[in-house]
Amino acid sequence: GAVVSQHPSWVICKSGTSVKIECRSLDFQATTMFWYRQFPKQSLMLMATSNEGSKATYEQGVEKDKFLINHASLTLSTLTVTSAHPEDSSFYICSAGGAGGTYEQYFGPGTRLTVT
Amino acid sequence: GQSLEQPSEVTAVEGAIVQINCTYQTSGFYGLSWYQQHDGGAPTFLSYNALDGLEETGRFSSFLSRSDSYGYLLLQELQMKDSASYFCAVGNYGQNFVFGPGTRLSVLP
Repeated sequence: GAVVSQHPSWVICKSGTSVKIECRSLDFQATTMFWYRQFPKQSLMLMATSNEGSKATYEQGVEKDKFLINHASLTLSTLTVTSAHPEDSSFYICSAGGAGGTYEQYFGPGTRLTVT
Repeated sequence: GQSLEQPSEVTAVEGAIVQINCTYQTSGFYGLSWYQQHDGGAPTFLSYNALDGLEETGRFSSFLSRSDSYGYLLLQELQMKDSASYFCAVGNYGQNFVFGPGTRLSVLP
């Protein structure tokens, strides 16, 4: 149980275009999902907390107009990187809280974004 | 704010025991978690401590001392497949969830 999927697993896009990444909880309902960004050989940085049916809560320094998050259902959250630039190239990972709360998170396989 | 410290790298041989320490500073602390991440993969949950003491799960154990703001992950009977990055993470009542910088463990034959 507690499987989280992400799509696509990797994407290459041109600078200035937008990219949508989907995160799905396959066998449980996730009221809360989290979006992280990870640069090579660095730790995971929480970008935002996504709550079903309400606006996402963004971490300090994360541009909410650039990284659009939608959590329309209990099994789907999406992250859209708008007007992508090469510095947005990174590994984006979503997670969903487990039954015990946010301390136990189940992570999707990640999406590697390369902006050329 | 919140901050966590971990050693950047640890090296050990197969069959050995290794301890990865984590110290943290946070407000409203409610638990310390540990995650494993292999290169190119996503993190996987290993353990969680909300109370002081040792939690054992197979070859892995995790310890927490809330008074010292300190915890560690203990890996026994190391195997080559244990080579990965290990992250401690703290959660607080503000619902923030922050990962440490990670410790890269290399297991040598």
